Formats: sequence, C-alpha cells, structure tokens
Amino acid sequence: EPEVTQTPSHQVTQMGQEVILRCVPISNHLYFYWYRQILGQKVEFLVSFYNNEISEKSEIFDDQFSVERPDGSNFTLKIRSTKLEDSAMYFCASSDRGSLHFGNGTRLTVT
Amino acid sequence: AQSVTQLGSHVSVSEGALVLLRCNYSSSVPPYLFWYVQYPNQGLQLLLKYTSAATLVKGINGFEAEFKKSETSFHLTKPSAHMRDAAEYFCAVSGANRDDKIIFGKGTRLHILP
Repeated sequence: EPEVTQTPSHQVTQMGQEVILRCVPISNHLYFYWYRQILGQKVEFLVSFYNNEISEKSEIFDDQFSVERPDGSNFTLKIRSTKLEDSAMYFCASSDRGSLHFGNGTRLTVT
Repeated sequence: AQSVTQLGSHVSVSEGALVLLRCNYSSSVPPYLFWYVQYPNQGLQLLLKYTSAATLVKGINGFEAEFKKSETSFHLTKPSAHMRDAAEYFCAVSGANRDDKIIFGKGTRLHILP
C-alpha cells in the first residue's frame, strides 16, 4: 500500500537555526498537510496545501514557517529560526478523498 | 467550527474485556469522523472513518464505532481487548469537503492490564 514518507526521522538543531523537514506524499494525492504534536499533547493542525498554494493555516503557522512543493513530489516544511518551543513531532499527511494518510513523523529537538 | 472532545485521557481495561473510548463532536456542517491510533514512537494510523454512509463503522484490528447524531457521539469499541491494543487513540473530525483539514481530540491512552 502506498505510504507517506518523511525524512529525517529525528532532527536535532540549535535554537535560531533553520530546519527543513521533508515529506514525500502519496503520488496521486492532491492535498497536503503538516501537523505537529508537542510531547504529551494533542496533534495540532499547522497548514494545508493544494494546487501549489496554502489553502489554510493555523495560528501556530506564523512567519517563521513556510511550506513548499519544490519538484512535484517532495513537500517541505521550513522553520526559519527555530525556538525551543518548536520541539515536537511533525507529521506530514496527504489526502485524496478526505482520509488523511500520515507519515511516521520527524521528531525535531531544538537545543 | 469543528471540535472533538475525548472523555478520559487514560483508560485501563483488562485483557479480554470490552474497550470503550468516548468521543463527542461539535460541527456546524455534516461531519466526517475518524479514529486514529498511534503506537509508541510511530505515526498515526487510520482505524476507521465515518463519511455519512452506514452509522456503524467497522475498522481494522476488530474496532468499530457508531455515529449517533442525536448524541453527537462517535465512541470507539472493541469486544475483547488484546495487549497489542495498548496505544494512544485520537478521535478526529472534518467537514465533507475534500480539502477540509482534520481536527484532532486530545487523545486517550489505552492501557491493557494482564
């Protein structure tokens, strides 16, 4: 069964550094999402992306965040200047008919 | 606006006993409803979904959920718990549009007692 893949599985970075989290959605899916889960908390919506543009974003998704689909297969989340509170599990998801398929996540640790 | 409320952040059941995880939703439009499971150190796996067809939905691993509009509920059940069911379970809601985001509840951690 096709799946969403995310790399890396774990990223450690220093506060203030830029990070790029990568995702390869399921190939025939048209809708893409990023969610995050701070340790011990619920899964929170960050942003949705369709037709090469952001369709919706949450309050969390401020100017430090950006998304891109650079080459038609990858879907990336960039955090420009990481903060300690950005430490979380970041999940990518893709969808075709309303069911989101999630990747296994990237654990981001900001030190 | 849409939201889900999961009653009980932790639920413990004995192996072989009935599992009942509660979820109530709020939605201004006819909802799609989902249950996802997260095993330790893994991603989110879809257990089952309700998309306005049959109100009793059967999912993977013997789980099922019933959509009750009058109670705005979508509780998850399994007749007989197994040790491998120990995980975090998330109820989620979205609208019926294809690009609607999913909103998750806070999750319920299911513990299985031997």
